[in-house]
Amino acid sequence: EAGVVQSPRYKIIEKKQPVAFWCNPISGHNTLYWYRQNLGQGPELLIRYENEEAVDDSQLPKDRFSAERLKGVDSTLKIQPAELGDSAVYLCASSSWTSGDHEQYFGPGTRLTVT
Amino acid sequence: GQQVMQIPQYQHVQEGEDFTTYCNSSTTLSNIQWYKQRPGGHPVFLIQLVKSGEVKKQKRLTFQFGEAKKNSSLHITATQTTDVGTYFCAIGAGSYQLTFGKGTKLSVIP
Repeated sequence: EAGVVQSPRYKIIEKKQPVAFWCNPISGHNTLYWYRQNLGQGPELLIRYENEEAVDDSQLPKDRFSAERLKGVDSTLKIQPAELGDSAVYLCASSSWTSGDHEQYFGPGTRLTVT
Repeated sequence: GQQVMQIPQYQHVQEGEDFTTYCNSSTTLSNIQWYKQRPGGHPVFLIQLVKSGEVKKQKRLTFQFGEAKKNSSLHITATQTTDVGTYFCAIGAGSYQLTFGKGTKLSVIP
């Protein structure tokens, strides 16, 4: 079974530039999460999707961040414009309602550096 | 939102020594999950605890959920270099939303 796929793995941009991250969850997983992980910290939830519906985006900085999950499969997270403080690893995770433990499967992440 | 405190932040042990990390919440939890993140890697699910006083074992790892469901611990017996990484607890508000602790970074000296 393929895991969660994310691209790109690394991205370096100048501040004020836009950037987008892509995630392909595990096949059949209806729940998709975007997290941000700063160095030395735990993952912080940005947004959670149930199929194509964003059911929790309270932590998403909506002035510059946007996300979509068209057709309830792949998802894209966008930052426009990026700020220096956005440098972090952006993790995508997915889970399934049918999984007894509701464990989340994480992708490898995209390491963003804003200069 | 829910807050969780994880201690210690760092732990250096000699290979073969035991290791314990603790996770504490001020509120009663519906469930708690534990994840391991290797250096440069992504979090990987270890276990979920749901019941009060629950104890689960995975080889050298022992997970406990407190009787009041406000705290949890992960204990590793006789650490090995393969145990190196950061261990996160994640508390559940319902089954699908998790708040992660800051993690305990384990270093094992061979």
